[in-house]
Amino acid sequence: DQQVKQNSPSLSVQEGRISILNCDYTNSMFDYFLWYKKYPAEGPTFLISISSIKDKNEDGRFTVFLNKSAKHLSLHIVPSQPGDSAVYFCAASRGNYQLIWGAGTKLIIKP
Amino acid sequence: GAGVSQSPSNKVTEKGKDVELRCDPISGHTALYWYRQSLGQGLEFLIYFQGNSAPDKSGLPSDRFSAERTGGSVSTLTIQRTQQEDSAVYLCASSPPSSGGRDTQYFGPGTRLTVL
Repeated sequence: DQQVKQNSPSLSVQEGRISILNCDYTNSMFDYFLWYKKYPAEGPTFLISISSIKDKNEDGRFTVFLNKSAKHLSLHIVPSQPGDSAVYFCAASRGNYQLIWGAGTKLIIKP
Repeated sequence: GAGVSQSPSNKVTEKGKDVELRCDPISGHTALYWYRQSLGQGLEFLIYFQGNSAPDKSGLPSDRFSAERTGGSVSTLTIQRTQQEDSAVYLCASSPPSSGGRDTQYFGPGTRLTVL
């Protein structure tokens, strides 16, 4: 039973355009959401997070949007750069240290 | 400073053998996590250590899996009598002391375990 789902295994975007990565969750008790980025042969690195009391959080080129009624969050990257090519994981927590992870979306930025 | 390190980076073993995976967290980080990532899946929580508290072992898939953390620093994940379904990348993460459990987790590069 996947509580956090990333339905797109991969996404290809032209350099300079906007990348939108999506994540859906089923557990309404989740109150904190994170995005991690992973390059091959490396561990995931933290990118951005959002608390359930907010609907948007922005950090430079990265913005996370949370729609609680739809149980959906998205990560927007604009403009997309070649170094953004990586696997992006969405994760959620229920107020403690345990994170429930999606399966990841591989983002490919085309020059 | 140095990040989280894990060893070995790759491990190939035969079914039924025991394996030990090592994690060196970032100095000063009190929390340490072990995860497993099977092919095409998200990270699966295995075990959590926080300071001197009893570890949360709720994610360990069977009693063949165990982990220790010595002196509040280095951790070893042991898998006994390995099975082919244990093949995965095992990731370790650590996080600094703070409150609320919302701390950023810093990951090591992982150990890729292949059980033949």
